[in-house]
Amino acid sequence: DAGVTQSPTHLIKTRGQQVTLRCSPKSGHDTVSWYQQALGQGPQFIFQYYEEEERQRGNFPDRFSGHQFPNYSSELNVNALLLGDSALYLCASSLNAGTAGELFFGEGSRLTVL
Amino acid sequence: AQSVTQLDSQVPVFEEAPVELRCNYSSSVSVYLFWYVQYPNQGLQLLLKYLSGSTLVKGINGFEAEFNKSQTSFHLRKPSVHISDTAEYFCAAPRAGGTSYGKLTFGQGTILTVHP
Repeated sequence: DAGVTQSPTHLIKTRGQQVTLRCSPKSGHDTVSWYQQALGQGPQFIFQYYEEEERQRGNFPDRFSGHQFPNYSSELNVNALLLGDSALYLCASSLNAGTAGELFFGEGSRLTVL
Repeated sequence: AQSVTQLDSQVPVFEEAPVELRCNYSSSVSVYLFWYVQYPNQGLQLLLKYLSGSTLVKGINGFEAEFNKSQTSFHLRKPSVHISDTAEYFCAAPRAGGTSYGKLTFGQGTILTVHP
């Protein structure tokens, strides 16, 4: 049973560029949430997707956008990258009707913005 | 004010000693509480969860936590730690009033370092 998979694992971009991160949820899960974890911090909620729609959003600017596909996989897009966007981006999946708050996390995509 | 507060940023301990990692929560979160562990260069793994019922919750790897409503705490404990427990630990709770429970609020994390 495959867990949550994310790609790429590491990437380096320069300021102003755009990046797309990908996530495949755990088998049987239909909900995908994205988190940003800056160095030395706890994860911060970016947004959540369910039924191909953004259902909740944290305090992140519109430069952060996402998408969910019919197979429940998801993408996170960040435009006009800033140095402060350097972080570990975590994808977490869950079952909408499942245990409240129990998320299964991938290993993350580490983004470095130069 | 932060909804979930971890009181210690770093906890050093010797192998086979007991350990307690402290977490306090505020009323702005639902009273579902979680502890996650993050090993170096990895994602987060669920250690244990409190949803309702018994206030003493047992998790994986010998960890347990006690929900204390009067003190708004959910401290994580292990009676005897191993070198392999060296990791960062996060306390988390869903935000109260949300339409789904997928949005977790995390504490700042506690780095547990187990020395031989």
